[in-house]
Amino acid sequence: ETGVTQTPRHLVMGMTNKKSLKCEQHLGHNAMYWYKQSAKKPLELMFVYNFKEQTENNSVPSRFSPECPNSSHLFLHLHTLQPEDSALYLCASSQDVGLAGVRGETQYFGPGTRLLVL
Amino acid sequence: ILNVEQSPQSLHVQEGDSTNFTCSFPSSNFYALHWYRWETAKSPEALFVMTLNGDEKKKGRISATLNTKEGYSYLYIKGSQPEDSATYLCAFPQGGSEKLVFGKGTKLTVNP
Repeated sequence: ETGVTQTPRHLVMGMTNKKSLKCEQHLGHNAMYWYKQSAKKPLELMFVYNFKEQTENNSVPSRFSPECPNSSHLFLHLHTLQPEDSALYLCASSQDVGLAGVRGETQYFGPGTRLLVL
Repeated sequence: ILNVEQSPQSLHVQEGDSTNFTCSFPSSNFYALHWYRWETAKSPEALFVMTLNGDEKKKGRISATLNTKEGYSYLYIKGSQPEDSATYLCAFPQGGSEKLVFGKGTKLTVNP
């Protein structure tokens, strides 16, 4: 497989469930990102990892817990979510952190997980 | 808080029409501007990274221009085809970092 893959593509969960979203990149990149897109809102950055270390937490509630065991894999653990957390969750990767803007480096996105919290 | 605005929000054109839409961003402390194309149920796909004032980039029938002094970029599609139907996003890095701030996008529908 090439590029950035995400599983599952769709997820329905209750507010008391615990679930995890998985992202895998096959591009040899060092940085990985979680984004959220809610209805009628722009893509919003949640977390950034560089060389497995978290470098950014964009004021995300603790019911979202990221994990990056290696540079190729990124997880988002979900616990006690609210219906308003229903959204599309996208993963992305780039060669490095801190260069996306300065060097105009591109982020490569997965297709997303569509999450519905009941 | 950095604001990236895109207009129009949505656009319907006929096959063969040429079209364009706008991304506005803060003109101070410019680093780069990214354009992405996002088809429904697929991954956002990078189109262009614009870095210099006056830049013009082209990919097939799609081109983009950049004006950093006034804080806008235009995306043009010449001779639109149904396969061009997608949401076109622009993104601006906050503080020259990896934190891309996205606009809400322009949703283009090309009718055959």
